Amino acid sequence: DQQVKQNSPSLSVQEGRISILNCDYTNSMFDYFLWYKKYPAEGPTFLISISSIKDKNEDGRFTVFLNKSAKHLSLHIVPSQPGDSAVYFCAASPPPGKLDMRFGAGTRLTVKP
Amino acid sequence: ETGVTQTPRHLVMGMTNKKSLKCEQHLGHNAMYWYKQSAKKPLELMFVYNFKEQTENNSVPSRFSPECPNSSHLFLHLHTLQPEDSALYLCASSQGEADSYEQYFGPGTRLTVT
Repeated sequence: DQQVKQNSPSLSVQEGRISILNCDYTNSMFDYFLWYKKYPAEGPTFLISISSIKDKNEDGRFTVFLNKSAKHLSLHIVPSQPGDSAVYFCAASPPPGKLDMRFGAGTRLTVKP
Repeated sequence: ETGVTQTPRHLVMGMTNKKSLKCEQHLGHNAMYWYKQSAKKPLELMFVYNFKEQTENNSVPSRFSPECPNSSHLFLHLHTLQPEDSALYLCASSQGEADSYEQYFGPGTRLTVT
């Protein structure tokens, strides 16, 4: 049962434009949401997160939006840079006390110069 | 050395072999995880240890056997694997506290079963 879905396996954008990566989840018990970034031959690294009590969190060029009623979150990167080219994983975590985070299948972002 | 390290980085083994994957974290965390990543699939959580106690086992076949001797080290013992077990195996750690969610990943071991 795939509780976290990233329906776009790949995304290509021009340098300087906005990148929007989407993620949907099915379990309303998820309490916290994270985005991870993965370069080839490296493990995923934490990028940005958002608590279920918020609808937006911003960190520099990265903003995550959460729509709880739609069970949808998105990551906006603006302006996009070639160094942002990587695979981005969406993750959702249950309430405190449970450690079984669920991940999406990832979206490969390519930012063209 | 800092962060989460994994050895070996690459492993090729036959179906009758026995091998072990090693993970070490230098972050002072209390929780450690094994994930399996197959091509174009989500990361699959395999095992979770919190304060050296196994708290999650997501219906993983017995040919995978985890071991957590202390909060800094985690092993995954492999025996009589199948070709479909070929994947990237990722180790992660986190503080393990109730209000901490972020996990820190190692670079992974690319396993090929022949």
